[in-house]
Amino acid sequence: EAGVAQSPRYKIIEKRQSVAFWCNPISGHATLYWYQQILGQGPKLLIQFQNNGVVDDSQLPKDRFSAERLKGVDSTLKIQPAKLEDSAVYLCASSLGAQGEAFFGQGTRLTVV
Amino acid sequence: AQTVTQSQPEMSVQEAETVTLSCTYDTSESDYYLFWYKQPPSRQMILVIRQEAYKQQNATENRFSVNFQKAAKSFSLKISDSQLGDAAMYFCAPDNDMRFGAGTRLTVKP
Repeated sequence: EAGVAQSPRYKIIEKRQSVAFWCNPISGHATLYWYQQILGQGPKLLIQFQNNGVVDDSQLPKDRFSAERLKGVDSTLKIQPAKLEDSAVYLCASSLGAQGEAFFGQGTRLTVV
Repeated sequence: AQTVTQSQPEMSVQEAETVTLSCTYDTSESDYYLFWYKQPPSRQMILVIRQEAYKQQNATENRFSVNFQKAAKSFSLKISDSQLGDAAMYFCAPDNDMRFGAGTRLTVKP
């Protein structure tokens, strides 16, 4: 079974630039999560989708971050404009339902300079 | 939002010994799941063990077991016969929206 795919693996951008991350969840998984993990900290939930609807985006900085999950499958997370403090690993995870085991991708390491 | 506390930023254990990682949480839910995840240096998070809150019996998965105290909202992970490959960050996520604690870094000494 294919796992959660994320791209790119690494990205370096200058502050005030924009960046987008892509996630392809495991086939059939209705729930998709995006996390931000700053070095040395636990993952912080940014947004949770159930199919193509948003369940929780209370910790998403909506002035600069946006996410969508068209057709309830792939998802993209965008940052515009990026700040230095956005440097982190962005993790995508998916699960069959809201109470199931979450499967994680390898993450995208973003460095903002 | 539910809060999760992992009070041990770092733990160390001798190979073949037993170690317990603690996690406490706050929730108003009555029925929920609790998870322990492991994140090795490669950064891909994987599930270690899962506990269903309505079950009184503690979950066990090979060398990993939990001590779940629902009334105390405590959910600790016990690793028996520790192996070098157990070295990683461990996160608990005791709610349905997958919010994690700050993590415990486990070092295994040969």
